[in-house]
Amino acid sequence: KAGVTQTPRYLIKTRGQQVTLSCSPISGHRSVSWYQQTPGQGLQFLFEYFSETQRNKGNFPGRFSGRQFSNSRSEMNVSTLELGDSALYLCASSLAGGQEAFFGQGTRLTVV
Amino acid sequence: GQQVMQIPQYQHVQEGEDFTTYCNSSTTLSNIQWYKQRPGGHPVFLIQLVKSGEVKKQKRLTFQFGEAKKNSSLHITATQTTDVGTYFCAGRVTGTASKLTFGTGTRLQVTL
Repeated sequence: KAGVTQTPRYLIKTRGQQVTLSCSPISGHRSVSWYQQTPGQGLQFLFEYFSETQRNKGNFPGRFSGRQFSNSRSEMNVSTLELGDSALYLCASSLAGGQEAFFGQGTRLTVV
Repeated sequence: GQQVMQIPQYQHVQEGEDFTTYCNSSTTLSNIQWYKQRPGGHPVFLIQLVKSGEVKKQKRLTFQFGEAKKNSSLHITATQTTDVGTYFCAGRVTGTASKLTFGTGTRLQVTL
């Protein structure tokens, strides 16, 4: 079966702009989590959605938001981009949360 | 908040040598997972441990969950160049449903 698909793979944005990242989970998976990965901070949890509801949230500012659709696909939005938002954004899906997480290839965001 | 630390941050070994990474949580975990991320890749699930004192083996890899469920280790016997990558532990705190907190990671370099 197809894996977790993230689009786009690469993005370059200017400071102050906003960006939307997309994640399509494995078919049948209802839980989608988002992580920010940077060399200095490792993998930081952003939020987790299950059946269109945000179930957990990490310690990120309100500029970071997300949502999940009825088909379990998820989007993540970052507004008013800052240079420090440059990172690899990873999406992971699992059946119901709490089990093995399957990661997508990630979206590498560069803010200039 | 919950912190999950791993040591060492980096280890360089000669092929054939053993390798161990240690994972320590500031809080008791309901379970712990281990992931491997190859350079330029995304994290890939290796294993999940649930019971206190649990030990699991996968070929040359041995995983252990501490008695207090606050620490874990991954030991690789006779490393190979294919073991190169960053190894992350990831824990779930009881009561936080599916929020997965990743450790800081240990980067393993193996040379001939």
